[in-house]
Amino acid sequence: GAVVSQHPSWVICKSGTSVKIECRSLDFQATTMFWYRQFPKQSLMLMATSNEGSKATYEQGVEKDKFLINHASLTLSTLTVTSAHPEDSSFYICSASKTSGWNEKLFFGSGTQLSVL
Amino acid sequence: DQQVKQNSPSLSVQEGRISILNCDYTNSMFDYFLWYKKYPAEGPTFLISISSIKDKNEDGRFTVFLNKSAKHLSLHIVPSQPGDSAVYFCAAKSPGSGGYQKVTFGTGTKLQVIP
Repeated sequence: GAVVSQHPSWVICKSGTSVKIECRSLDFQATTMFWYRQFPKQSLMLMATSNEGSKATYEQGVEKDKFLINHASLTLSTLTVTSAHPEDSSFYICSASKTSGWNEKLFFGSGTQLSVL
Repeated sequence: DQQVKQNSPSLSVQEGRISILNCDYTNSMFDYFLWYKKYPAEGPTFLISISSIKDKNEDGRFTVFLNKSAKHLSLHIVPSQPGDSAVYFCAAKSPGSGGYQKVTFGTGTKLQVIP
């Protein structure tokens, strides 16, 4: 099946620093990738839709300048949490869209646990 | 506003019996529904999906039923196995901004299959 690789799987950083998370589709081209955030015991919340070669579409309430998304190629999207603060600590997951005919499926990365001290 | 609801946060089932996970939705624009399985500290993995034009889709031990009039879908796992113990997310797709499909997730149901 399709594989989406997400790195790093966990990261600890100091408050005020920036953290970059990478999401790669290893065996297919993904024109669309999605970034989610999950708080403990809560649902996956869509943060933004990343489209190759264009600006990301952010969901309401998500700060564009804080969560920078770059989808530079058909296999790579990055999420940069800028000037991270403890409240940004969360589990971040990416997914890539793969379309086969009428059937579109999402394949998820393994997630990144971010802890901001 | 939770458009996709999984009202049961947890479910315990004996091994070999049927597991039924339920999901309700409110947005009539949803046209495709999916179930994902998630282990702790991992990304969700796709299980099974169903288009809004169908009322049933079966894949091995997993069957999804869709009742459009009731805006309700369910995932049946039979027979349940201990390896099925995980959190199950119901998800629904609708046209998003810019013409892209948007996926909305429920809050998940933690299934425990007891050996």
